[in-house]
Amino acid sequence: DAKTTQPPSMDCAEGRAANLPCNHSTISGNEYVYWYRQIHSQGPQYIIHGLKNNETNEMASLIITEDRKSSTLILPHATLRDTAVYYCIVRPPRGGADGLTFGKGTHLIIQP
Amino acid sequence: DTAVSQTPKYLVTQMGNDKSIKCEQNLGHDTMYWYKQDSKKFLKIMFSYNNKELIINETVPNRFSPKSPDKAHLNLHINSLELGDSAVYFCASSQAGGAGELFFGEGSRLTVL
Repeated sequence: DAKTTQPPSMDCAEGRAANLPCNHSTISGNEYVYWYRQIHSQGPQYIIHGLKNNETNEMASLIITEDRKSSTLILPHATLRDTAVYYCIVRPPRGGADGLTFGKGTHLIIQP
Repeated sequence: DTAVSQTPKYLVTQMGNDKSIKCEQNLGHDTMYWYKQDSKKFLKIMFSYNNKELIINETVPNRFSPKSPDKAHLNLHINSLELGDSAVYFCASSQAGGAGELFFGEGSRLTVL
């Protein structure tokens, strides 16, 4: 899997948009960008994934640059419950049974 | 209904003992995984398994062994427990082919004394 680089931590005010960046400059043409998060003492939770186009679901939006070398996860109206470690992962769409490789992620802290 | 459930949630045991952690998923998935999260919070895959193939992370000691009685269950057996085995162990599942969306259990915190 291609490596990703994320800032170790970020703060965001409650109610504001949280923008989490991820660099994946060595991403291959068929590799997707996935985002997961892990709230304290819980299992990781899938958020969103995309290939080239921007994606949006009920949790977040994913913006992927045209050259696909970086992406941004956007939580439009952050709440205190969004405080978590956010992981950006790249992998082929059908990677077999090899799961996901997690990096260090970004610890997002939502401030009241 | 919990999609991926693990038992026990907490496990405290002595060095040298043998223990098991159970995992069940009711999502109809074909692939299941075990991850280990150590004290530094790094999540590392230990095993992935479907009804055809077991993939073992080569860094995992052979004291760890997954056992799958059926495709809805993947239990983790650990022999001769060591202090360094203390961690949170997460079970996960996904559709066959590994489309990337994994569903995780809530974790089992193992403490070896």
